[in-house]
Amino acid sequence: KAGVTQTPRYLIKTRGQQVTLSCSPISGHRSVSWYQQTPGQGLQFLFEYFSETQRNKGNFPGRFSGRQFSNSRSEMNVSTLELGDSALYLCASSAGGSGGTDTQYFGPGTRLTVL
Amino acid sequence: DAKTTQPPSMDCAEGRAANLPCNHSTISGNEYVYWYRQIHSQGPQYIIHGLKNNETNEMASLIITEDRKSSTLILPHATLRDTAVYYCIAAPYDQNFVFGPGTRLSVLP
Repeated sequence: KAGVTQTPRYLIKTRGQQVTLSCSPISGHRSVSWYQQTPGQGLQFLFEYFSETQRNKGNFPGRFSGRQFSNSRSEMNVSTLELGDSALYLCASSAGGSGGTDTQYFGPGTRLTVL
Repeated sequence: DAKTTQPPSMDCAEGRAANLPCNHSTISGNEYVYWYRQIHSQGPQYIIHGLKNNETNEMASLIITEDRKSSTLILPHATLRDTAVYYCIAAPYDQNFVFGPGTRLSVLP
């Protein structure tokens, strides 16, 4: 099976712009989670989507949003970019079913630089 | 999620076993112990997970104490490619992960 893919891999934006990142989960996985990783804060959970609905949400401002499509692909959007949004954005997919364990598998990430 | 505590760094000689400890003294009965590693800004790589019993796969072994308050990840024959940050996470199956700072393992030639 192909792994989790994320596009683009690298992105440079300027303050005030907005950005959309894309994630394609492992085939058959219905849950997609997004994380932000910075040197200062480490890996932090943004939100999770399951069957096109946001199921969990981390403690990030409303500038960070996401959505999931019927094929389980997901996008996240950051509006009005700030310098502090420079980070590695990671997407993880899991089967999302009930019971047992629900191991998350991560993509390679999108490196966003805000100038 | 239960809070986990790991040493910030460890060294291991190449070819020797690397034993990475994790403390999760507040773990709940429905929380699994997961281990991931991250090699220099790549996405975290899943290693292994367990609930109560010890687990082994092609990458590593996971030893969970009987009271489940701590665990040890064992890489049986560490190689230079095992140099990475290792994260221990305690989470219920349907909750998202809370990552701590992890343990930076350096495998030395």
